[in-house]
Amino acid sequence: EAEVAQSPRYKITEKSQAVAFWCDPISGHATLYWYRQILGQGPELLVQFQDESVVDDSQLPKDRFSAERLKGVDSTLKIQPAELGDSAMYLCASRTGSNTEAFFGQGTRLTVV
Amino acid sequence: QKEVEQDPGPLSVPEGAIVSLNCTYSNSAFQYFMWYRQYSRKGPELLMYTYSSGNKEDGRFTAQVDKSSKYISLFIRDSQPSDSATYLCAMRDFGNEKLTFGTGTRLTIIP
Repeated sequence: EAEVAQSPRYKITEKSQAVAFWCDPISGHATLYWYRQILGQGPELLVQFQDESVVDDSQLPKDRFSAERLKGVDSTLKIQPAELGDSAMYLCASRTGSNTEAFFGQGTRLTVV
Repeated sequence: QKEVEQDPGPLSVPEGAIVSLNCTYSNSAFQYFMWYRQYSRKGPELLMYTYSSGNKEDGRFTAQVDKSSKYISLFIRDSQPSDSATYLCAMRDFGNEKLTFGTGTRLTIIP
């Protein structure tokens, strides 16, 4: 069964360091999302791609976060510098198009110390 | 006030009971409604996907949407210990592909 792949599964980093997460969506899925889920809360959208273009990054803290999807397939989310408040689960999701559901990866759990 | 409100629980019920999970929302433009199940330290898994008002059944799971009341429900019949997880409601409107989630309800089924 096709699934959204994310790596790493877990990441511990020190405050002020750089960290990057990778996502490979389900093949053929043009829409890709990055969500952040703080413990005990629902996921919140950080950025949405349609192919290689950013559709919505209004909630992305652009002073420290960046996201790219250069060839419209896999994507990277970067944080530099990391802050203690960035500790959360970072989820990638993809969908094929309108009126279809989104499928999530297993997430990357980030701990900033 | 959040766009989507969901009681975080925790909710504990005995095995075999019927479970009712609910969300309310304020945005009348929401047209698509979803329920996701999330096990500890895992990503959300789609359970139910419905469009507009009405009921949808899939095995032991039934999703209900009442747009007039801005209220959605998920019912789990014959609950099993393997149903123990956090259940997230999510919704979006027709022209916007962004999902808005509730906070999730943590459910425990007691054997």
